[in-house]
Amino acid sequence: KAGVTQTPRYLIKTRGQQVTLSCSPISGHRSVSWYQQTPGQGLQFLFEYFSETQRNKGNFPGRFSGRQFSNSRSEMNVSTLELGDSALYLCASSSEGQGPARYTFGSGTRLTVV
Amino acid sequence: QQQVKQSPQSLIVQKGGISIINCAYENTAFDYFPWYQQFPGKGPALLIAIRPDVSEKKEGRFTISFNKSAKQFSLHIMDSQPGDSATYFCAADHNNDMRFGAGTRLTVKP
Repeated sequence: KAGVTQTPRYLIKTRGQQVTLSCSPISGHRSVSWYQQTPGQGLQFLFEYFSETQRNKGNFPGRFSGRQFSNSRSEMNVSTLELGDSALYLCASSSEGQGPARYTFGSGTRLTVV
Repeated sequence: QQQVKQSPQSLIVQKGGISIINCAYENTAFDYFPWYQQFPGKGPALLIAIRPDVSEKKEGRFTISFNKSAKQFSLHIMDSQPGDSATYFCAADHNNDMRFGAGTRLTVKP
């Protein structure tokens, strides 16, 4: 069974640009969550999608958005990038209906904003 | 705000020693408490988890102790090994809304 795949692995963007990150969940998993990981803040919850609907949302500005497609693949977009957006962005998938979230994380996308 | 508080930030233990990481939560709606282990360049991986109706869970060298009244839980790693050197995150979940602690960087010295 393939794991959670995140692309690209590394990304360098200029302040003010926008970026789109992709996450392919484990086959059969319908829930996808996104997290921002920084050394100072740890893992910060961005949002969770299930069946193309955003179910939960963290405390991030509107520049951070996401979506989920009918095949459960998810994308997150960050517009008007700021230096502070430099982080490792992780997505995790889980299968619904088997108790609490048993997340499987991808290896992340390392975003550097210069 | 930080809904799950984790300490210490870093921990150095000798091989064979016991590593202890503590977490406290605020939201009593949380009903699932996992611990994740993360190695450099990798995403976090589920290590062990507990529900609040159980006070302790043990899997091999890893034990979670849970105190519902104090809203605290901890991870104990017995006979710590250099291969356990990693960053550990506690988390608390309710309805697929999982919140993480800030992480503990564990170094086990040979």
